[in-house]
Amino acid sequence: EVQLVESGGGLIQPGGSLRLSCAASGFTVSSNYMSWVRQAPGKGLEWVSVIYSGGSTYYADSVKGRFTISRDNSKNTLYLQMNSLRAEDTAVYYCARGSGLTGRFDPWGQGTLVTVSS
Amino acid sequence: SYVLTQPPSVSVAPGQTARITCGGNNIGSKSVHWYQQKPGQAPVLVVYDDSDRPSGIPERFSGSNSGNTATLTISRVEAGDEADYYCQVWDSSSEPVVFGGGTKLTVL
Repeated sequence: EVQLVESGGGLIQPGGSLRLSCAASGFTVSSNYMSWVRQAPGKGLEWVSVIYSGGSTYYADSVKGRFTISRDNSKNTLYLQMNSLRAEDTAVYYCARGSGLTGRFDPWGQGTLVTVSS
Repeated sequence: SYVLTQPPSVSVAPGQTARITCGGNNIGSKSVHWYQQKPGQAPVLVVYDDSDRPSGIPERFSGSNSGNTATLTISRVEAGDEADYYCQVWDSSSEPVVFGGGTKLTVL
């Protein structure tokens, strides 16, 4: 069964750092493109970052220079390193597997909540 | 960057047909994907590449895409279809993944 399980969320002060993890099972992370998508409380989905199988990475302008997406092939795990966190980064963060050549995402993890507050 | 526009809400009676639109500049030239998200749950892909359904998704869910509008159609709506629905495309810009703002489907 293909499954994604996020972890690493929590309460962090503004300016702090946090690393999210997304453990995959049932498929190989490095053979797929993978994304992080977030959802602020009561808001819609916002794409955050993508890493392609070849290793190229892209970021939303709102997080560029502060967040870094990466993967550990030996652990079959995706990461999101988040630095210089702001209140507006407060959200549930989902990881999702890219599928096909047209950029759909399936499945998604259950999400991990990041709260940035003093 | 590319922008997708959805109506904030759509209401429909049980057994009727719900249509949720997703507007974008020449969206008909792109492949559109649709996700269903119920409260407290992760999004689930219900339609991909405009009109294909993943395994396990009922035939009541269908999609179309032409010109500047893509549409998710849910036939014979059930109470369990009440959820937020998001459209998404893959764009060639530096921000390749674009989501619409989401539409809350209410079953009356």
